Amino acid sequence: QVQLVQSGTEVKTPGASVKVSCKAFGYPFNSYGINWVRQAPGQGLEWMGLINPLNGNTKYAQNFQDRVTMTRNSLTSTAYMELRSLTSDDTAVYYCASGNYDAYWGQGTLVRVSS
Amino acid sequence: EIVLTQSPATLSLSPGERATLSCRASQNVSGYLAWFQQKPGQPPRLLMYDASKRATDIPGRFSGSGSGTEFALSISSLEPEDFAVYYCQQRSTLPKTFGQGTKLEIK
Repeated sequence: QVQLVQSGTEVKTPGASVKVSCKAFGYPFNSYGINWVRQAPGQGLEWMGLINPLNGNTKYAQNFQDRVTMTRNSLTSTAYMELRSLTSDDTAVYYCASGNYDAYWGQGTLVRVSS
Repeated sequence: EIVLTQSPATLSLSPGERATLSCRASQNVSGYLAWFQQKPGQPPRLLMYDASKRATDIPGRFSGSGSGTEFALSISSLEPEDFAVYYCQQRSTLPKTFGQGTKLEIK
């Protein structure tokens, strides 16, 4: 059974960084890119970028280009998304998504940024 | 980046009725369009890909159509579990982008 399991809720202060993990089960990790998508409270879906687990190549959305880093550990089938210089506008649920046509989604990680 | 515009923002219908949701792209995305359904507190669920292909385990009452810049998602006879928010997504060109969503609510 395919599953993407994400790390738990994070509470951060403005200016801090957060690193969210996404562990894949039930399919060959290197077969599909891992996307990161966020959703602010009551808002729509925003694509942040993706990483190719096979070679580590990344593509970031322009809105996040300067402060996001996506990495992976193929030995543990885990992808990571680090976002720096957090502001209250970064308060959101962060999802990883993978598989053909992004069919598989993690359960989401709430990141709350508050002073 | 390619902008996707969904209409209407909210659609109020009763169970048993037919729903038609629209998604317009600012540029040609060929057939590389997907539809997702999202319920409160849950991640999005893939419904349709490549405009008209149903994802695994998606009921036959869901259908998708369109190509280029105009797309539609139809639900032939609404079931109570279909009331949710629906997003279109293009994967023709990076960055992938989503529409702003259509909320399908019970009338």
